[in-house]
Amino acid sequence: QKEVEQDPGPLSVPEGAIVSLNCTYSNSAFQYFMWYRQYSRKGPELLMYTYSSGNKEDGRFTAQVDKSSKYISLFIRDSQPSDSATYLCAITYGGSQGNLIFGKGTKLSVKP
Amino acid sequence: EAGVTQSPTHLIKTRGQQATLRCSPISGHTSVYWYQQALGLGLQFLLWYDEGEERNRGNFPPRFSGRQFPNYSSELNVNALELEDSALYLCATVPWRGLREQYFGPGTRLTVT
Repeated sequence: QKEVEQDPGPLSVPEGAIVSLNCTYSNSAFQYFMWYRQYSRKGPELLMYTYSSGNKEDGRFTAQVDKSSKYISLFIRDSQPSDSATYLCAITYGGSQGNLIFGKGTKLSVKP
Repeated sequence: EAGVTQSPTHLIKTRGQQATLRCSPISGHTSVYWYQQALGLGLQFLLWYDEGEERNRGNFPPRFSGRQFPNYSSELNVNALELEDSALYLCATVPWRGLREQYFGPGTRLTVT
């Protein structure tokens, strides 16, 4: 079983739609959860970072963590064409070692 | 504030050659992670350097190596290049060991022919 599973999509939505992106993970020892956005041929950009279960909101973005289900989500409200990118979930353990374990990414296209 | 920089942007090598990739962290960041993003495989952890030492290595052969310099910049070396080493190589930095938010550079695209 892979450590992190993410539906690769592609996902196509109309402008203004609410987008839901999801990942599941296998090991309950994971403690930190992140979402990155990657535009074509660019490096990933950190969008959201959460530690505990629950919701974290930043503008149009909401990250949700459910540790009991080992399930993390990213919601994008009022999606814009500029949100078209690949979204990567990333998780890591506690302790001193901080290397991230990434999902394969979901490619999102927001149509005007 | 300048972000993470990587050089070169593109690198084309022949199978069997060696490649050297460089990463300069955000000012004040002391920890450097290297990742490989190959088509269809996603981002995979390669190496972690902190305070000049290799702290952890991913599931990659020893021909992937590197170092970190006193100014915290880092170098990734790939020896005996194979075709499957063709990928985007990304470095990410954090201000200090223990923090989890990693900030990525734009990457070096390595093509092995």
